Amino acid sequence: QLQLQQSGPGLVKPSETLSLTCTVSDNSISSSSYFWGWIRQPPGKGLEWIGSIYYSGSSYYNPSLKSRVTMSVDTSKNQFSLKLTSVTAADTAVYYCARWERWVQDLDYWGQGTLVTVSS
Amino acid sequence: QSVLTQPPSVSGAPGQRVTISCTGSSSDIGGGSDVHWYQQLPGTAPKLLIYANTYRPSGVPDRFSGSKSGTSASLAISGLQAEDEADYYCQSYDSSMSGLVFGGGTKLTVL
Repeated sequence: QLQLQQSGPGLVKPSETLSLTCTVSDNSISSSSYFWGWIRQPPGKGLEWIGSIYYSGSSYYNPSLKSRVTMSVDTSKNQFSLKLTSVTAADTAVYYCARWERWVQDLDYWGQGTLVTVSS
Repeated sequence: QSVLTQPPSVSGAPGQRVTISCTGSSSDIGGGSDVHWYQQLPGTAPKLLIYANTYRPSGVPDRFSGSKSGTSASLAISGLQAEDEADYYCQSYDSSMSGLVFGGGTKLTVL
């Protein structure tokens, strides 16, 4: 059973950079069949796609966040990462990593979620 | 403001059947993109419930079914059980932004 394990700080100061990493339990991160994505959920609200990255490094970002988002992938460590700059209180949310099946385009495996609070 | 439109809440008594709608546009569902459904129990990550409009992953009971027509899709849950009380989200692919879009979520209450 594939597992996605998230890591990163749960508290970030306003104007600073949020950084999260997701470690994939097998080497499917190098497979051509999957993208790897980040999704967030503000408290009490719905899901928002942040962006996705391919093993080659090609990435796609939500236009509403594009100017502040950078994603990267490290296939040697079976990891992919998210950086969100200039955070404000509006970025407080549970952040999830997930596997995005390339052809069906569903999110079939999810990480456990990380609550990131933006506060001084 | 979510791209896909879902009713905020639905409810039903145990044993009954409920449906949850998901309406999109020509750049996502209407453009031919498949619809997927997720179940989110309180305090947990979403779980894939229906993929590619009608298919159930292994382990999902056949009480859950999905359909798609035009710019809309629906999730049906028959034989409601208390454990079905959760939030349900639809998701599709938006070709205009090359990314994923979600519905705002529907809270199912089992009376």
